[in-house]
Amino acid sequence: GAGVSQSPSNKVTEKGKDVELRCDPISGHTALYWYRQRLGQGLEFLIYFQGNSAPDKSGLPSDRFSAERTGESVSTLTIQRTQQEDSAVYLCASSPKGSGIAGELFFGEGSRLTVL
Amino acid sequence: GENVEQHPSTLSVQEGDSAVIKCTYSDSASNYFPWYKQELGKGPQLIIDIRSNVGEKKDQRIAVTLNKTAKHFSLHITETQPEDSAVYFCAALSSGSARQLTFGSGTQLTVLP
Repeated sequence: GAGVSQSPSNKVTEKGKDVELRCDPISGHTALYWYRQRLGQGLEFLIYFQGNSAPDKSGLPSDRFSAERTGESVSTLTIQRTQQEDSAVYLCASSPKGSGIAGELFFGEGSRLTVL
Repeated sequence: GENVEQHPSTLSVQEGDSAVIKCTYSDSASNYFPWYKQELGKGPQLIIDIRSNVGEKKDQRIAVTLNKTAKHFSLHITETQPEDSAVYFCAALSSGSARQLTFGSGTQLTVLP
């Protein structure tokens, strides 16, 4: 498909375990974003990639969270030693334009993380 | 940084009536204001956006108005239909050094048949 693809769509894990969430952006999109959406709440910015560099990591909640991106392709968001408050939907979005340039973000359907 | 507030958090309207969702922003340097619609189990999708050099923009049944002086913008949906039921998010893009979209907290719109 031509859209942003995220996996897994659902992940249930035990407190203290590490999880990896994957995002495949739309081909050719240079900018990639990760957002967190807690139940019934808005979108909380986590991190942004331009190509494979991350000029803005300001939204990462703690050092348990990290992300990387290979070239202008796949990105993984890793949460170490998961806590119950990490339970949320993690949304990835991509854009053909760089951050700070007005334009549409194309979102994936998200990865729902539940930490027991 | 930018702060975006959105009201109401929930809104129910009868099919055929109009719906209005309002947002305020804090950074007077913000210059781009998109609206996203999120259906259940899906990612948000852009439905309309407005730049700071215009006061109003329409696209069929939806319109957005912007008041830069008051730092608020609104989404108007006319002749609502059941398929309009979704969560709507406003957002603002500041022009400062930290140029990221800041989203509002969302409005759950329910259109009653």
